Amino acid sequence: EIVMTQSPATLSVSPGERATLSCRASQSVSSNLAWYQQKPGQAPRLLIYGASTRATGIPARFSGSGSGTEFTLTISSLQSEDFAVYYCQQYNNWPEFGQGTKVEIK
Amino acid sequence: QVQLVQSGAEVKKPGASVKVSCKASGYTFTSYYMHWVRQAPGQGLEWMGIINPSGGSTSYAQKFQGRVTMTRDTSTSTVYMELSSLRSEDTAVYYCARDRGSLIAAAGPYYYMDVWGKGTTVTVSS
Repeated sequence: EIVMTQSPATLSVSPGERATLSCRASQSVSSNLAWYQQKPGQAPRLLIYGASTRATGIPARFSGSGSGTEFTLTISSLQSEDFAVYYCQQYNNWPEFGQGTKVEIK
Repeated sequence: QVQLVQSGAEVKKPGASVKVSCKASGYTFTSYYMHWVRQAPGQGLEWMGIINPSGGSTSYAQKFQGRVTMTRDTSTSTVYMELSSLRSEDTAVYYCARDRGSLIAAAGPYYYMDVWGKGTTVTVSS
């Protein structure tokens, strides 16, 4: 089992600021890493796959980077609609999700 | 547009079974694998398994082996997830989610999900 660890658990950011979320895998997952956004009462939404490729319709302010065991999701300038919980998921093996990072308004 | 419509909320007693449906539309049903993912209240996401809607083959997370059964009906473009021997810890929102990889391209499954249903709440309580 590959354990995915996200940090921080909660990130307080002001609108317009940059947010940097981290995801660490317990063993290498190559670039087989996806990021999802989930708002309260909604299903998750695919943001990034292949560690750095934006899914269809995802704004350019979302970017992903990393490979192996260390990954980052960056939101360059937070908009009001970006306050949500973000999950990373590895798919190098059977899918495993991180525990999530909540991005809240500062 | 691509859509996954799930069945309504369920309340079950411990020890019972639940069967959740997920009807696909807007794309060729047999061309994309389907996953089931659940989320307990206030918790993260947990992958349960995957089904090939074309041939019906399945793979389940080890945690659910022996308790979960995923099936499909190609005539109605619907996949089903049945979970048996329910306990309180199974209280969760259950999502179906389409794999991004296409069977036609023979490149999947990719094991990440690009289209999600709205979820079905299953409550297990005596």
